[in-house]
Formats: sequence, structure tokens, C-alpha cells
Amino acid sequence: DTGVSQDPRHKITKRGQNVTFRCDPISEHNRLYWYRQTLGQGPEFLTYFQNEAQLEKSRLLSDRFSAERPKGSFSTLEIQRTEQGDSAMYLCASSSGEIGGGEKLFFGSGTQLSVL
Amino acid sequence: GDSVTQMEGPVTLSEEAFLTINCTYTATGYPSLFWYVQYPGEGLQLLLKATKADDKGSNKGFEATYRKETTSFHLEKGSVQVSDSAVYFCALRNYGQNFVFGPGTRLSVLP
Repeated sequence: DTGVSQDPRHKITKRGQNVTFRCDPISEHNRLYWYRQTLGQGPEFLTYFQNEAQLEKSRLLSDRFSAERPKGSFSTLEIQRTEQGDSAMYLCASSSGEIGGGEKLFFGSGTQLSVL
Repeated sequence: GDSVTQMEGPVTLSEEAFLTINCTYTATGYPSLFWYVQYPGEGLQLLLKATKADDKGSNKGFEATYRKETTSFHLEKGSVQVSDSAVYFCALRNYGQNFVFGPGTRLSVLP
């Protein structure tokens, strides 16, 4: 168990640029989640995958955000035409699914995005 | 929609003091309840959970009891250590839905 890894750890970009983040989940986990966290707040759900299928996307997520999980392994989150309001910590989590309602999420350390 | 409310921090305690972090929730149905902890420089990790009313979750000396009548899941520890300094997040999940996290409570334990 090597844990969930995210890359990069930090990203600084200028407004209007596109950015892409990568998440490598724990290998046997079939579920993968993306969350966004701002200072002083808890993680906010963005989207999640069951294997390669994107099953749910938050209504808060604008069309500038897109996520993929080809072959049900790693995932990428792309933000197009970044805005200053996109500055946040982007968290990835994986799990092996729901067991009696007590699904356990394993989180990565996150990618801190700063949009100047 | 579902929501979680936590006591505001930061909470500052001396080593060996008793800890309570309050958590209340609003949800339909019978959600599972969780406490996640984030140590400095690390990702969130599950501390404990309870999946039905009156269940008690426990781990590393921390405990929380699922109280459906008061819609609460307060976190307690009898004697905190400096190493417990972290941010604690209360969360819920209804079956088939996504996790909803509270805003987090920062705990600082002084030697």
C-alpha cells in the first residue's frame, strides 16, 4: 500500500491558463474522488469515478473543469481558463467501495493551486 | 441538503487535558458518521466511524457516539497529547451519496 499520490504538490499559474493535476490511487481501489478545499473549510465534493466511469459531478463545478480516469487507474483533473477563485487545495481520495455504509476514504496530500 | 456543523476553533489545550469537539448534522435517512484528522503536512485520514445509531467509534484513545436523537457525533479524548495537534473534520455519508464534511476544528496541544 503506497498510498494515494498527487502531482504536482504546488502549482502557480496566471489567470486564463490551463492546468492539469494527476492522482494515482491505491492500486486495488475502484473508486476515486476529487475534492476542493479552501482555507478554513472542509473538503467540497467535485466528482467521483467508479472504475473508469464518471458517476457524479457536483453542480457547483463549472464547465471549465473536466476529469478523466482512463482504464480505471490514475485520474486527471483539468481546469481551463483558470480564475483567481479557483485557488484552493485540490484533494484526491480513493476507496474500495461501500461496506455496510462505512466506506473509508484514503486521501492524498493534495495539489495547492494558486492563480495569480 | 445534508450538512455538518462543528465547533469553531482553534481549540488550545494543555497536555493531558480532556478534549471535546462538538459535531452536529442535518441529514435525511440514516447516514454513517465519521471523524477524519489532518496532521500538519499530511493528507486527511480516517480517525473513527459509526454506521448506525448508538454505535461508538473509537481509535487512538478518541471516541464518538452516534446520537440520532440529538443528531450529534461529538469527539472526545480523556487525555490529549502534543502529537494530537491537528485539524479534525466531522463528516457524514448517506448510502449511495457523497461525503459531506464539516469545516474542521484546529486543535493545538501545548506541553
